[in-house]
Amino acid sequence: RKEVEQDPGPFNVPEGATVAFNCTYSNSASQSFFWYRQDCRKEPKLLMSVYSSGNEDGRFTAQLNRASQYISLLIRDSKLSDSATYLCVVRGRETSGSRLTFGEGTQLTVNP
Amino acid sequence: DVKVTQSSRYLVKRTGEKVFLECVQDMDHENMFWYRQDPGLGLRLIYFSYDVKMKEKGDIPEGYSVSREKKERFSLILESASTNQTSMYLCAAWGADRYQPQHFGDGTRLSIL
Repeated sequence: RKEVEQDPGPFNVPEGATVAFNCTYSNSASQSFFWYRQDCRKEPKLLMSVYSSGNEDGRFTAQLNRASQYISLLIRDSKLSDSATYLCVVRGRETSGSRLTFGEGTQLTVNP
Repeated sequence: DVKVTQSSRYLVKRTGEKVFLECVQDMDHENMFWYRQDPGLGLRLIYFSYDVKMKEKGDIPEGYSVSREKKERFSLILESASTNQTSMYLCAAWGADRYQPQHFGDGTRLSIL
């Protein structure tokens, strides 16, 4: 089983739609969680961290369910510029030497 | 803002060559990472380092080595390049804070002929 699993998509949605991405992780000791965004042929960039109580940043809402080992990202009122691959990312140990594990990414295309 | 700089954006080498990919970060971060990214496989960790002269194997270290002589610089070495090492290589730097993101370089698209 992969450490971090995402639905690879692709998701094709019209502008203005609401879209949700899900992610599961296998290591119950995972400590920190992130969503990264990667545009075609570019490096991954942090979209948002995911906090235990859930958090919102504009049109983006992230949720964490530790009991189910599940993370989600909700995008409301999709824009053309949201088209990208969204990577679910999980951090292991807290001590130095810890590492991030990346999901394979979910591809989103927002259509006019 | 953290700046991670990779020495080359595009690189073409021949099978059997020794290849060096360089990465420099300017924020005094302890942790540095080398990944490769391939279609359908996502980002895979090759090696990482949490301090000068320290290194740990990631998920796919075979055929690679690394060097971290200075805190700001982390080098990836392909000892004898092979065609299956054609890939996008990404370097990242990361501090120790719990919610601090990893910062990536622009990537090196390496082709081995």
